[in-house]
Amino acid sequence: DTAVSQTPKYLVTQMGNDKSIKCEQNLGHDTMYWYKQDSKKFLKIMFSYNNKELIINETVPNRFSPKSPDKAHLNLHINSLELGDSAVYFCASSLMGSTDTQYFGPGTRLTVL
Amino acid sequence: DAKTTQPPSMDCAEGRAANLPCNHSTISGNEYVYWYRQIHSQGPQYIIHGLKNNETNEMASLIITEDRKSSTLILPHATLRDTAVYYCIVRTSTGTASKLTFGTGTRLQVTL
Repeated sequence: DTAVSQTPKYLVTQMGNDKSIKCEQNLGHDTMYWYKQDSKKFLKIMFSYNNKELIINETVPNRFSPKSPDKAHLNLHINSLELGDSAVYFCASSLMGSTDTQYFGPGTRLTVL
Repeated sequence: DAKTTQPPSMDCAEGRAANLPCNHSTISGNEYVYWYRQIHSQGPQYIIHGLKNNETNEMASLIITEDRKSSTLILPHATLRDTAVYYCIVRTSTGTASKLTFGTGTRLQVTL
């Protein structure tokens, strides 16, 4: 059974386009995250949502807009894509609490041409 | 910035124990040490975490020094499938969400 899933797995698009990446978790978690892993393999947190409320926003350009329709979903919409947005994007989820281990999805490889 | 330092790479023979060190000298009293690994380009996989006591699960053991300034992840019988980048992370919490700040990790190569 898939715990944290992302679609699509690969996304190739032109500069200036708008695209969305979807994330779903079936773990019953109430907190979800987006991370970005760039070409140098650094993994950095972008956003965190708890019960559909934005909790963490790590100085990400406002071209990136997370949307959480419900606790099980956190989608990432990116406007006016730039070359520097090319990266692997990982979704994660956890239960809120003192030992809230985060579980990651398989990633979406975004390539902007 | 990551609050941990790890060696960039290590080798281990298959079947032997892999001991991966991590320094976290600025860790606060309520911050947990987490270990994740990333195999090739897959999503990071949770391994184990601890606060101050040693911990063991089906994947690994975590040894935390008494002063909590360093820890060691032990894979008791490494296999080729354990080849991955291992991240030691000090988890900070905002109260309603935790934040994992990944460093550069240790690339573990398990060889025959």
